[in-house]
Amino acid sequence: QVTLRESGPALVKPTQTLTLTCTFSGFSLKTYGMRVNWIRQPPGKALEWLARIDWDDDKYYNTSLKTRLTISKATSKNQVVLTMTNMDPVDTGTYYCARALHPQNYLGPWGPGTLVTVSS
Amino acid sequence: QSVLTQPPSASETPGQRVTISCSGSNSNIGSNTVHWFQQLPGTAPKVLMYNNNQRPSGVPDRFSGSKSGTSASLAISGLQSEDEADYCCAAWDDSLNGYVFGTGTKVTVL
Repeated sequence: QVTLRESGPALVKPTQTLTLTCTFSGFSLKTYGMRVNWIRQPPGKALEWLARIDWDDDKYYNTSLKTRLTISKATSKNQVVLTMTNMDPVDTGTYYCARALHPQNYLGPWGPGTLVTVSS
Repeated sequence: QSVLTQPPSASETPGQRVTISCSGSNSNIGSNTVHWFQQLPGTAPKVLMYNNNQRPSGVPDRFSGSKSGTSASLAISGLQSEDEADYCCAAWDDSLNGYVFGTGTKVTVL
């Protein structure tokens, strides 16, 4: 059974750096075709894709946020880490990680999400 | 990141059929497959459809997906009260090299 779970601070101050960890089980990021994505959702708003890391360590970033984002993997720990610098109140929302499968074009399952509030 | 356009809401009575549209462009829906997600209040999105029209195991066949050109649609037939949720489409965008998501549609069962 594939599961993912996000963890990180619930509250960060403006200008601080956010570090989120996605811990997963049921698959390995060393396996061909495995990918992990980060997606966020501001309260009451649409989903927004942030970043993706692939089994071969290829990385992709939201072009609007690219300068603030870094995605990395700790394969032995079954974890993917996302850092976002210079946090702002508009970054408040629920942050999800989700597995993707290539070439099946399947984006799931998703973790339950973690709510991050940016406030002084 | 650009978004895919969906109607903000749709509603129908139980047992009827509701269709949700998702409009994109050549670089996303026109070039790649479409995903559909169901999101119940306070929960994470759940995969409803992938590869335009493929249902994961456990998703009822009341749900169906289709794609034509730069648009896609999700149909729910035999609408049930438990289908009341937010529905969102997504696709990879070759120009942005990232996923783009729809604006979301809230389905209400009258």
